[in-house]
Amino acid sequence: EAQVTQNPRYLITVTGKKLTVTCSQNMNHEYMSWYRQDPGLGLRQIYYSMNVEVTDKGDVPEGYKVSRKEKRNFPLILESPSPNQTSLYFCASSRTKTLNTEAFFGQGTRLTVV
Amino acid sequence: QKEVEQDPGPLSVPEGAIVSLNCTYSNSAFQYFMWYRQYSRKGPELLMYTYSSGNKEDGRFTAQVDKSSKYISLFIRDSQPSDSATYLCAMTPGGTPLVFGKGTRLSVIA
Repeated sequence: EAQVTQNPRYLITVTGKKLTVTCSQNMNHEYMSWYRQDPGLGLRQIYYSMNVEVTDKGDVPEGYKVSRKEKRNFPLILESPSPNQTSLYFCASSRTKTLNTEAFFGQGTRLTVV
Repeated sequence: QKEVEQDPGPLSVPEGAIVSLNCTYSNSAFQYFMWYRQYSRKGPELLMYTYSSGNKEDGRFTAQVDKSSKYISLFIRDSQPSDSATYLCAMTPGGTPLVFGKGTRLSVIA
């Protein structure tokens, strides 16, 4: 089954404690991205990757890091989480950047930073 | 002015009603237009995709794009309680990140 898998689904952490949210896709997609979704603000892109070792900032990259060492994996790293990073996070993938029209989303990770 | 504007609702309709969801946009370079559906506690899933102006129909769903007015619509005929979800419009010129509307929450009441 084609899917994008995120882990964990729910996470509560304390300010400043480094964390990683994993994302893996099994469709051999080149293009992957991370979004955060907040009430009243909608989906905003954090980072994206066009292929292995190629990443770029989205609209709201501050406080986040990513890496793309393998095609299937695109982890999101919060080096020093803060309460304003409490949000619902989605990983998405699509075949290529040009064919980004059909993005497959993961189930989401609800992060709370206290 | 935001690049993509979408009425957040909530929109509540009786079962069987025709639903109209809309987005307006300001960037005339947008060529690809999509509607995503997001159920509660789930990720968005692609519902409809349209290139440039025109209509596209898929079962009970019809997507319309009017590039001259910078306006897109999604119509749902014979709405069902299972259509209750948040509907997100998205668009891109092509080859660049998607720009999403904020979503419209729809409730179809049996």
